[in-house]
Amino acid sequence: DAMVIQNPRYQVTQFGKPVTLSCSQTLNHNVMYWYQQKSSQAPKLLFHYYDKDFNNEADTPDNFQSRRPNTSFCFLDIRSPGLGDAAMYLCATSAGKGEAYEQYFGPGTRLTVT
Amino acid sequence: AQSVAQPEDQVNVAEGNPLTVKCTYSVSGNPYLFWYVQYPNRGLQFLLKYITGDNLVKGSYGFEAEFNKSQTSFHLKKPSALVSDSALYFCAVREPTGSQGNLIFGKGTKLSVKP
Repeated sequence: DAMVIQNPRYQVTQFGKPVTLSCSQTLNHNVMYWYQQKSSQAPKLLFHYYDKDFNNEADTPDNFQSRRPNTSFCFLDIRSPGLGDAAMYLCATSAGKGEAYEQYFGPGTRLTVT
Repeated sequence: AQSVAQPEDQVNVAEGNPLTVKCTYSVSGNPYLFWYVQYPNRGLQFLLKYITGDNLVKGSYGFEAEFNKSQTSFHLKKPSALVSDSALYFCAVREPTGSQGNLIFGKGTKLSVKP
């Protein structure tokens, strides 16, 4: 089945220690998104790629970076995680950026910062 | 600016009873509306969307939503709730063409279905 895969499902890192979360998709979608979701809140968009075109949300901290080496993979890098970065990180894809396109989400990676 | 509101933090329903999860929207132009469901420790799953056409939209798992332009609402409904429907439900609107096309989510409504 075509899907969005996130690894690992659970990640523990130490305060200030860089961490990378990965996302892959078999849907061949042009657009990939990264969201941060804190407990029982709505997902908050961090950034997205339309093909290789990177789009950063204005309020995304500089501590968060992303890479998309090819259509299938996208990475979220947190350079110096703080305690406030503990959250669920969701990757999503969309076939296009038009209004009619729904987004398909991966299962998420729950990040714990100790 | 586009926005959605989910006025209820939690909805409690008995199994077998009909359920409604409310959503109202504010958009400039035509609305493109979505419902997603999130089970504990999982990503969001797409349920249904309204783009144009019939006001009653049918989606996954027996859910449907009714688009009401005059009331600017897009309430999620199911005729007979199951315990397994218990989850967090998000209504969302898509930004219009010409912008980034991002999804704007409501704050979510927790649905609890009791046996």
